[in-house]
Amino acid sequence: AQKITQTQPGMFVQEKEAVTLDCTYDTSDPSYGLFWYKQPSSGEMIFLIYQGSYDQQNATEGRYSLNFQKARKSANLVISASQLGDSAMYFCAMREGRGSSNTGKLIFGQGTTLQVKP
Amino acid sequence: DVKVTQSSRYLVKRTGEKVFLECVQDMDHENMFWYRQDPGLGLRLIYFSYDVKMKEKGDIPEGYSVSREKKERFSLILESASTNQTSMYLCASSLIGGGLSYEQYFGPGTRLTVT
Repeated sequence: AQKITQTQPGMFVQEKEAVTLDCTYDTSDPSYGLFWYKQPSSGEMIFLIYQGSYDQQNATEGRYSLNFQKARKSANLVISASQLGDSAMYFCAMREGRGSSNTGKLIFGQGTTLQVKP
Repeated sequence: DVKVTQSSRYLVKRTGEKVFLECVQDMDHENMFWYRQDPGLGLRLIYFSYDVKMKEKGDIPEGYSVSREKKERFSLILESASTNQTSMYLCASSLIGGGLSYEQYFGPGTRLTVT
C-alpha cells in the first residue's frame, strides 16, 4: 500500500544555514509524483515543489530543492539559507499514477515542524 | 489569484450537534477534498468529490457525510458531533485529469472544537 513517512517530528536550524527534511515513500506504481507543502501557523497549505518519478533531474524552486533518490525511495526537501519565515510545518505527499492522476488524490506524511533560530 | 475559502476559521460546537463546514473554490476545479489534520497523523482524507453530486469515501469517512450540489461548493457534515471530531479541517481542490504534477489548492482551514 502507498505510504509516506516523515520521521522527524521537529527540527531546529540556525538562520542562514541549510536544512534537510526527510521523506521516504512506499509504492509499487512505477509512475508517481512527490510534493512538498509548507503550513505556516496561519494554517493554509502552500505548495513548494514537485518531483515526478521519471524526472531525471532533482527539482529546484528558488531556495527549495528536492533530493530525489529513487532506489532508496526518498524525497528529502532541502532548504538553503534558512530564513525566519521558513518556520512552519512541512508535509511530504505522494500521488500514484494508477487512477489517482484523475482523482488528484494525495497521500500525506505526518509532517515535520521546522523552527529557524535567529 | 486562485482561491479556496472555508466558511469559518474557528468553530465551537456541542456534542450531538449537527455541524456544517462549507468550502468554496473559484478555479472551476472538478475535484474537491476534505481532510482532517491531527498532530502526529498528518492530513487524512475524509471524502472527496470528482463531480457535482459525486462523492467517494476517503480513509476516515466514519461519522462524516458530504454534499456537492454545485461545482464550486463542497460541504462536510458532522451528523452528530463528538469530542473525537475536534480537529483542524482542511478543504482542497484540483483539476481532474491534471496529471501527476497538478497540485491541490487548499483553504485556510477550520479549527473545530466539540465540547
